[in-house]
Amino acid sequence: EDKVVQSPLSLVVHEGDTVTLNCSYEVTNFRSLLWYKQEKKAPTFLFMLTSSGIEKKSGRLSSILDKKELFSILNITATQTGDSAVYLCAVDWGTGKLIFGQGTTLQVKP
Amino acid sequence: GAVVSQHPSRVICKSGTSVKIECRSLDFQATTMFWYRQFPKQSLMLMATSNEGSKATYEQGVEKDKFLINHASLTLSTLTVTSAHPEDSSFYICSAPDRNRYEQYFGPGTRLTVT
Repeated sequence: EDKVVQSPLSLVVHEGDTVTLNCSYEVTNFRSLLWYKQEKKAPTFLFMLTSSGIEKKSGRLSSILDKKELFSILNITATQTGDSAVYLCAVDWGTGKLIFGQGTTLQVKP
Repeated sequence: GAVVSQHPSRVICKSGTSVKIECRSLDFQATTMFWYRQFPKQSLMLMATSNEGSKATYEQGVEKDKFLINHASLTLSTLTVTSAHPEDSSFYICSAPDRNRYEQYFGPGTRLTVT
């Protein structure tokens, strides 16, 4: 059965901390892995990863994919309270359909 | 950038009634759109794939007679929740992939509450 598993499910940190969110997957057809941020509305796109070992960066966020070990990580450095959200990992089967992980709820305290 | 809209953003209806949710791609054509459902504190679950000009394909466990999908044009898909019950209360989100299907554009979602 195709599945995407995220860990941890929830995380509480203080401003300035660095966090690493994990996403592992088992899918029969893999096209890309995507990270989204969700704050009480529809998810907003963060990254799309298709190749192993190539880090993608956007400000304090970065992500990398390991297609051999079937996982990805999302790093957030110097966290801010505005980073508090649910972070979703999803895998695209190649048809456009996405399988989502359970999400990681991140709370950043001042 | 590409934008997908949904209407309404929030709806409250009585048990037994039907509710229609619209999903529109505003500046691109989408031959395929996806409908997801998200219950509180849970992740998004794919319900069905909406195909322009043909029948929708439903994921396992989703009742096609209850969740009617019509992809009327290249920019519009509708989801009708028929004979809604309180357990159908959820956040419904549509998405549309770009032509190369390398990125999904999500609508803002519709929060349905059935009383």
